[in-house]
Amino acid sequence: ETGVTQTPRHLVMGMTNKKSLKCEQHLGHNAMYWYKQSAKKPLELMFVYNFKEQTENNSVPSRFSPECPNSSHLFLHLHTLQPEDSALYLCASSQTGDGTEAFFGQGTRLTVV
Amino acid sequence: GENVEQHPSTLSVQEGDSAVIKCTYSDSASNYFPWYKQELGKRPQLIIDIRSNVGEKKDQRIAVTLNKTAKHFSLHITETQPEDSAVYFCAASITGNQFYFGTGTSLTVIP
Repeated sequence: ETGVTQTPRHLVMGMTNKKSLKCEQHLGHNAMYWYKQSAKKPLELMFVYNFKEQTENNSVPSRFSPECPNSSHLFLHLHTLQPEDSALYLCASSQTGDGTEAFFGQGTRLTVV
Repeated sequence: GENVEQHPSTLSVQEGDSAVIKCTYSDSASNYFPWYKQELGKRPQLIIDIRSNVGEKKDQRIAVTLNKTAKHFSLHITETQPEDSAVYFCAASITGNQFYFGTGTSLTVIP
């Protein structure tokens, strides 16, 4: 296993639903990320958390709400999504300052109906 | 923020030939450049990386070159094999923070 675990692996939700994606890393990293992967934009950075503080919000619509309660856990709360939000959502973590790689989770395949 | 461009978007080569993928970046502060391989249905995984104090790095059949002045870096795969078929992403980062990715290159190695 990679050390970055995402749940659920697959999610189908209606446009009026509220759901949450979960990411957990066991690598002792201090930064965590949410990426959206779709055919249009293969790896689009959404949010960055450093030491639990959000340091980047890449112009993401407010229907996506991140939460980082500690340096090991990251959530993405979803509400009133649109069909175009259907994509693979990837979580990643890294150790900043060392210039080391970002480790990815397996992703959550989200379908909005 | 950083802007990373990647070319080509698709690449087909005969088995045994070489493949080259090129990326450019915009932020001169970027100092760490990893390359990822993503196979169908799997997560992106690091295959090689280079830091800004190095011009070239090689690991068996793969190599990466970096030109800081021109702000571009390239991935070279020699003696390609069918298992090299995948999508490859370049990325730029400042000390391992905020990784910005290119748009990906779908490589097909024809047996």
